[in-house]
Amino acid sequence: KAGVTQTPRYLIKTRGQQVTLSCSPISGHRSVSWYQQTPGQGLQFLFEYFSETQRNKGNFPGRFSGRQFSNSRSEMNVSTLELGDSALYLCASSRPSLSSYNEQFFGPGTRLTVL
Amino acid sequence: GENVEQHPSTLSVQEGDSAVIKCTYSDSASNYFPWYKQELGKRPQLIIDIRSNVGEKKDQRIAVTLNKTAKHFSLHITETQPEDSAVYFCAASNTGNQFYFGTGTSLTVIP
Repeated sequence: KAGVTQTPRYLIKTRGQQVTLSCSPISGHRSVSWYQQTPGQGLQFLFEYFSETQRNKGNFPGRFSGRQFSNSRSEMNVSTLELGDSALYLCASSRPSLSSYNEQFFGPGTRLTVL
Repeated sequence: GENVEQHPSTLSVQEGDSAVIKCTYSDSASNYFPWYKQELGKRPQLIIDIRSNVGEKKDQRIAVTLNKTAKHFSLHITETQPEDSAVYFCAASNTGNQFYFGTGTSLTVIP
């Protein structure tokens, strides 16, 4: 089974631009979560999508948005980029389950640099 | 919301010694506590997890303990090896698939 994939792997943008990141979950996984990883801050939760609906949202400004398609692929958009948005953006997928304990499988991440 | 604190931020041990990483959480509703290992330049990978109805879980050289009353859980690695060198993250989750991560512990095992 193929793992979680993310594209692109690296991005360089300038302040004020916008960017779209893509995540393809493991086949059969319907939940996709997005995280921002920066040195010293660990992984900070952005949002989670399940069956094309945003189910959970972290404490990030409205410049950060996302969506999920019917095939469970997800995109994350950041508008009006700021220098502080430079980070590794990770997505993680998990399969639907009656259990509340759903292991998350991470993608390789997209390294975003804002100049 | 949930707040997860992780200590220490860096840890160096001699090969063969044990390493312990501790996390505390604030939300008593959290009921699932995974630990992830992230090697340099790689994605985080689950190494062990524990559910709130269990106090301890062991998998070879790795063990996790949970104290629900005190709201803390710990990762124990015995007989450390150089390949254990990585950043380790703890996390807490409640029913809802929203995970809160600690800030990570950079473990270095000195040969």
